[in-house]
Amino acid sequence: DAKTTQPTSMDCAEGRAANLPCNHSTISGNEYVYWYRQIHSQGPQYIIHGLKNNETNEMASLIITEDRKSSTLILPHATLRDTAVYYCLSHGLGWNNYGQNFVFGPGTRLSVLP
Amino acid sequence: GAGVSQSPSNKVTEKGKDVELRCDPISGHTALYWYRQSLGQGLEFLIYFQGNSAPDKSGLPSDRFSAERTGGSVSTLTIQRTQQEDSAVYLCASSSRGTTSTDTQYFGPGTRLTVL
Repeated sequence: DAKTTQPTSMDCAEGRAANLPCNHSTISGNEYVYWYRQIHSQGPQYIIHGLKNNETNEMASLIITEDRKSSTLILPHATLRDTAVYYCLSHGLGWNNYGQNFVFGPGTRLSVLP
Repeated sequence: GAGVSQSPSNKVTEKGKDVELRCDPISGHTALYWYRQSLGQGLEFLIYFQGNSAPDKSGLPSDRFSAERTGGSVSTLTIQRTQQEDSAVYLCASSSRGTTSTDTQYFGPGTRLTVL
């Protein structure tokens, strides 16, 4: 079962900020939040991750709430090439049944519109 | 630098035949993962290798599925006696888990398997 929930789909106008929410209400203190995206017919691509502080890189920003129960991925100026399925995951680095951490649910299908 | 590569990119086989799918991870990455993605679905974890440790096979759907990783590098996923429900894209990822405090996975392009 997925430990995160995301909206099924979202639309965003080209050039505007895309804000993709993710709920992870059962996240543990040592679990990170990761975001990946999958453009049609390609393998998933890492975007960003964080523990409790907000993070920013060349692709996106990650805003994590103070209680860490939810986060938002922000694409500041969405382009048509950002149209993809975005996956939010939460997992730690424990060793037992480690693979079961990696639950890529249906994600959010973001459509960037011209 | 070179990313994760997978071969073949497409594989069509007949029901009941065995298939082997190959993954070449990023050089130096100690962890390797296999996933399956059915049409329009999310990714389903299959198996995880970390260094010389015993693999985490908890995601393999049946005993027809197996995987090995030779020399800590290349991995092969084998599906015996393929069934039509095995048709999917099989994705491989690698990471430097064990050498860093986090685990960012880098994915290959996948192998699209079609069982007729």
